[in-house]
Amino acid sequence: KNQVEQSPQSLIILEGKNCTLQCNYTVSPFSNLRWYKQDTGRGPVSLTIMTFSENTKSNGRYTATLDADTKQSSLHITASQLSDSASYICVVSETSGGYNKLIFGAGTRLAVHP
Amino acid sequence: EAQVTQNPRYLITVTGKKLTVTCSQNMNHEYMSWYRQDPGLGLRQIYYSMNVEVTDKGDVPEGYKVSRKEKRNFPLILESPSPNQTSLYFCASSLIPRGSGISYEQYFGPGTRLTVT
Repeated sequence: KNQVEQSPQSLIILEGKNCTLQCNYTVSPFSNLRWYKQDTGRGPVSLTIMTFSENTKSNGRYTATLDADTKQSSLHITASQLSDSASYICVVSETSGGYNKLIFGAGTRLAVHP
Repeated sequence: EAQVTQNPRYLITVTGKKLTVTCSQNMNHEYMSWYRQDPGLGLRQIYYSMNVEVTDKGDVPEGYKVSRKEKRNFPLILESPSPNQTSLYFCASSLIPRGSGISYEQYFGPGTRLTVT
């Protein structure tokens, strides 16, 4: 069964510190992996999209890495800000029937405290 | 502004009373989808549509209906809502991502919080 598992489930850090969120997946055939940020009560917003040939991609203070061999990805947040408090969702795209189906992780809830 | 809109944003209803949640996108996207989000679970796909008059079941379609009469609209219909359909619902749209290595961003609406008592 295709699955996406994220860890930790929740995380608390102090403003200005760095953190790393993990994503492991068993999705096959793999097409791409995305990280979304979801503020409370809002829809998810895309941070990065990586295909199997990409090892790393950055979007400002967010850097995602992908190891397609071990089927692991991480999202590193540098110099965290209060506005980073949100849920971060790892989404893996499965190539199925000619189009890409999205498999969502349950998310990591990040709280940044002053 | 490119966006996906949903209405209503909040809805409280009673068991068995039919309701419709509307979804509209202004990006000329072929692909539209409905998800529900419950605590501790990832977003789960209810129904999706590849184009006008083309719809298919997602992972959790029971108790829901959809229609795609126009490209921009994709309403979600609950004919007889039940308390287990209390959830946060998201509509999303994108260009159609076909093939390995091809990816398009999926745009999400703001969400509709539904409570069925």
